[in-house]
Amino acid sequence: GENVEQHPSTLSVQEGDSAVIKCTYSDSASNYFPWYKQELGKRPQLIIDIRSNVGEKKDQRIAVTLNKTAKHFSLHITETQPEDSAVYFCAASRNGQNFVFGPGTRLSVLP
Amino acid sequence: DTAVSQTPKYLVTQMGNDKSIKCEQNLGHDTMYWYKQDSKKFLKIMFSYNNKELIINETVPNRFSPKSPDKAHLNLHINSLELGDSAVYFCASSQSFSGNTIYFGEGSWLTVV
Repeated sequence: GENVEQHPSTLSVQEGDSAVIKCTYSDSASNYFPWYKQELGKRPQLIIDIRSNVGEKKDQRIAVTLNKTAKHFSLHITETQPEDSAVYFCAASRNGQNFVFGPGTRLSVLP
Repeated sequence: DTAVSQTPKYLVTQMGNDKSIKCEQNLGHDTMYWYKQDSKKFLKIMFSYNNKELIINETVPNRFSPKSPDKAHLNLHINSLELGDSAVYFCASSQSFSGNTIYFGEGSWLTVV
């Protein structure tokens, strides 16, 4: 089955700096990779996703890159703000089925 | 309007008790899920239902029994609660079994004492 690893487990950055979270997956048939943000005490919410036919996707300050050959994808957050502080989860799935989540990265943006 | 709602939000109960968590979605989705998030924040799927039919049943103790009376509801019943069952349980839904975006409920914080 699919296995998703995520690094780092915790990340602290200064406000205004960039943050990068990396995930690797094991199933080469996985073709959909969402990222979820979970604020303290709240539900996970989708922030961006990418499909295997695309190498990069950007939405304002967040972007995701995908390297299918290496089976890894990354979340990039630029100009970080305190409200970006949360736990971020990557996930991998095949055709939108059987989502497997990474273990999460706790991002702290320091003022 | 809450798209995926689950009750109760907080539940504290003693070992050995039986409890239920209810979930409803008003998105018209065909697929619903139960996820467990432990103290280390790992999100693990427990069950998935598509149009009231069980699709995924991960390795969870048979003390956990999901029930889907219709495709808008997926309830979770837990028998003989154990300390290790303490976690946050998230209900979720997606448009279809290959519906990509998963919408989570607000979570139910279960504490077994």
